Amino acid sequence: SQELEQSPQSLIVQEGKNLTINCTSSKTLYGLYWYKQKYGEGLIFLMMLQKGGEEKSHEKITAKLDEKKQQSSLHITASQPSHAGIYLCGADVPPGSNYQLIWGAGTKLIIKP
Amino acid sequence: EAQVTQNPRYLITVTGKKLTVTCSQNMNHEYMSWYRQDPGLGLRQIYYSMNVEVTDKGDVPEGYKVSRKEKRNFPLILESPSPNQTSLYFCASRGTGGYQPQHFGDGTRLSIL
Repeated sequence: SQELEQSPQSLIVQEGKNLTINCTSSKTLYGLYWYKQKYGEGLIFLMMLQKGGEEKSHEKITAKLDEKKQQSSLHITASQPSHAGIYLCGADVPPGSNYQLIWGAGTKLIIKP
Repeated sequence: EAQVTQNPRYLITVTGKKLTVTCSQNMNHEYMSWYRQDPGLGLRQIYYSMNVEVTDKGDVPEGYKVSRKEKRNFPLILESPSPNQTSLYFCASRGTGGYQPQHFGDGTRLSIL
């Protein structure tokens, strides 16, 4: 079955540094969603990407979907302690899938002060 | 405010004692879903529902039941809980007009002793 691979699995970054998390599929992604989860809490929707080459930003977080729509990246600029948590990507599989999403395993981000 | 509400947030119970986790959404979404999240295993879908009286199994349905008698509610039932069902559970809902993100509840942390 189609899977989403997230990398890295975990990341420790010095506060103030930039970082990138990747989400890759072997097949075309029809909708790509980024979520953030604070440890043991709910998933907060960050951004959605649909079109190849699309890029969206919110505060210091930028998400991109490549032209082939098989890879997305989440970039955080000048990281802060509030960015710590688990980042998950989810994606729509091809039409006819009953609106199911597939999920990456998550990237655990730790910010060192 | 648009939201998905789960109750309870935390529950410690014993093996074999039937329990229900409630989920309600106020966005008039057709699609609702239950996931469990375990360390190292990511989000795994238990059941989902495309509309009232329409439910289907996800990846890990064994030991769980659901019902969808009203559009807004999608309870998760554990008829005879066992320790391997100790987990963090999430309810989610999604609109079905085009590609839309899933909205998640805050989670229910369930411990079965």
